[in-house]
Amino acid sequence: QITLKESGPTLVKPTQTLTLTCTFSGFSLSTSGVGVGWIRQPPGKALEWLALIYWDDDKRYSPSLKSRLTITKDTSKNQVVLTMTNMDPVDTATYYCAHRPGAVAGNDAFDIWGQGTMVTVSS
Amino acid sequence: EIVLTQSPGTLSLSPGERATLSCRASQSVSSSYLAWYQQKPGQAPRLLIYGASSRATGIPDRFSGSGSGTDFTLTISRLEPEDFAVYYCQLGSFGQGTKLEIK
Repeated sequence: QITLKESGPTLVKPTQTLTLTCTFSGFSLSTSGVGVGWIRQPPGKALEWLALIYWDDDKRYSPSLKSRLTITKDTSKNQVVLTMTNMDPVDTATYYCAHRPGAVAGNDAFDIWGQGTMVTVSS
Repeated sequence: EIVLTQSPGTLSLSPGERATLSCRASQSVSSSYLAWYQQKPGQAPRLLIYGASSRATGIPDRFSGSGSGTDFTLTISRLEPEDFAVYYCQLGSFGQGTKLEIK
């Protein structure tokens, strides 16, 4: 059974750096094709894809946020970390991490999601 | 960057009716990467369709996906009360969503 859980601060100040951790179980991020992504959703708004890291450490970022994002993985700890710099009130959102089986498994979508963590940016 | 445009923004239908949701890409894309998700209030999204037409595990067969190139469709053949939610298409980025509401 695959599970993912996001953790991190619930409140950050403008200009600060946000660090979120996705801790997962039920799969290995060293398995060929597998990826973990981050997606966010401001209150009442649409989903926004942020970043994705693959089993081979290939990384992809949203073009509009690329300069502010860094995604890393720790395979031994079953964790993926997302950092976002220069936080602004418009970054207030629920942040999700999700599992991506990958092309090898024939599924390049996010099939299992964490419950999400709400982050508020305010002074 | 590919932009996905979903229509309509809101769809009002009754249980038992057929729902057709559209997702249009700004340029031709590989259908292998087109996915559909369902999201209910306060919940994480749930994967319905991947590869444009493959149902995810546990998804009822009243949900079907089709399309290629720039135009993709999610069809719900006969709406159940639990199907009223917001639906997103995704290919890298997400569309803006279609809210399916009870008429």
